[in-house]
Amino acid sequence: EAQVTQNPRYLITVTGKKLTVTCSQNMNHEYMSWYRQDPGLGLRQIYYSMNVEVTDKGDVPEGYKVSRKEKRNFPLILESPSPNQTSLYFCASSLRDPLDTQYFGPGTRLTVL
Amino acid sequence: GNSVTQMEGPVTLSEEAFLTINCTYTATGYPSLFWYVQYPGEGLQLLLKATKADDKGSNKGFEATYRKETTSFHLEKGSVQVSDSAVYFCALSDRGYGGATNKLIFGTGTLLAVQP
Repeated sequence: EAQVTQNPRYLITVTGKKLTVTCSQNMNHEYMSWYRQDPGLGLRQIYYSMNVEVTDKGDVPEGYKVSRKEKRNFPLILESPSPNQTSLYFCASSLRDPLDTQYFGPGTRLTVL
Repeated sequence: GNSVTQMEGPVTLSEEAFLTINCTYTATGYPSLFWYVQYPGEGLQLLLKATKADDKGSNKGFEATYRKETTSFHLEKGSVQVSDSAVYFCALSDRGYGGATNKLIFGTGTLLAVQP
């Protein structure tokens, strides 16, 4: 089944404790992206990747890192989480770029205390 | 810069009512326009899209027409069902003048609640 998976689905952590949210797709897509969803703000792009080893900042990259060492995986790293990073995070992928249909993961609900 | 503006929600309708969710955009270049839907507890999924002016996207009884003269892409459905209750996001992706595109810009989302 074609899908985007994210782990964990739910995470409660404390300020400053490094964490990684994994994202994996099995559709051989080139484009992958991370978004955060906050009430009243919709979805905002954090980082995106056009292909392996090619990543770039979205609209709200501060406090986040990403890597794209393999085509299928695009982990989101929070080196030192803070409470303002409490949010719902979505990973998405598409064949080449955002003009193609984006397939979203189920989301990761992160709470930073 | 590029942006998308959606009508504020929530929109509450009775089953079989007519639905309109307004979306207007600001963009340079030649944007493609999308509607994504998010059902409770799930990720977003593409509902429909239009890639050039006057195109009409349609899916599952929903439709939207790309109106360049009014910079709009309003979502409509003639008769909503309880199962249509979800958050609807308008989005655009702008390829620019001969360049590649790399971002999808979303509106803030409109919650639709359909009552039986």
